[in-house]
Amino acid sequence: AQSVTQPDIHITVSEGASLELRCNYSYGATPYLFWYVQSPGQGLQLLLKYFSGDTLVQGIKGFEAEFKRSQSSFNLRKPSVHWSDAAEYFCAVADDYKLSFGAGTTVTVRA
Amino acid sequence: SAVISQKPSRDICQRGTSLTIQCQVDSQVTMMFWYRQQPGQSLTLIATANQGSEATYESGFVIDKFPISRPNLTFSTLTVSNMSPEDSSIYLCSVLLAGGATDTQYFGPGTRLTVL
Repeated sequence: AQSVTQPDIHITVSEGASLELRCNYSYGATPYLFWYVQSPGQGLQLLLKYFSGDTLVQGIKGFEAEFKRSQSSFNLRKPSVHWSDAAEYFCAVADDYKLSFGAGTTVTVRA
Repeated sequence: SAVISQKPSRDICQRGTSLTIQCQVDSQVTMMFWYRQQPGQSLTLIATANQGSEATYESGFVIDKFPISRPNLTFSTLTVSNMSPEDSSIYLCSVLLAGGATDTQYFGPGTRLTVL
C-alpha cells in the first residue's frame, strides 16, 4: 500500500528566507504526487502536482517541488517565504484516485 | 478547478445526536469523496460517494455511522450519526477533476464539528 512520510512536524523560518519541506513516499508504480496547503481555519488548496515528465514542477504562490525517484522524494521549496505562507503543508500520493496524506508539516514564519 | 461549498461551516453538537453535512460543487463531477481530519492529525478518507449507488467505505468506517447520499453529480451529504466526542473533527469533501493526463482532487472548505 502507498504511504507518505513528512519527517518534519514543525518548521520555523524567517520571512524572506528559503523553505524546504521534505516528503518521502512509498509506492510500487509511478506515483502521482501532490502538495496541498491548509491555512488556519481553511480547507486544502492545491499547490502543485507531479504526474510525469519534467521532475521539477512549478506551482502557485512561488512554490516548486522536485521529484526524485531514486530517493523516493518529492520535496517542496520556496526561495523566499512571506508571512502569509504560515500554514500546514500536506504531501499526498494518489492510488486509483484515492489520496494518502502525510502527517503534515506546520510552517511558522517569524518576522 | 471547481468551486466547492460545504454547510455548515462549523457546529457544536451534543453526544448522541446526528449531523448532516452538505457538499455542493459548481459543476458536474464523477467522483466525490469525504475525509476526516481529527484534531492535529492528517486527513483520512472516509468513503467515496457514488452517484446512483451506495458509497464505498474505507476500512474502519461503516455506513451506519457515516451514511452518505449522492443524489446527483453536483451534491453529496455525509451524516455523522450517534455522535461522541471522538467524532470531533474537520470533515472535508473533495471532488475529482480530470484535466488531460491529470486527475486532481479539489477540496471544500471543511466543516468543523465539536461534540460535547
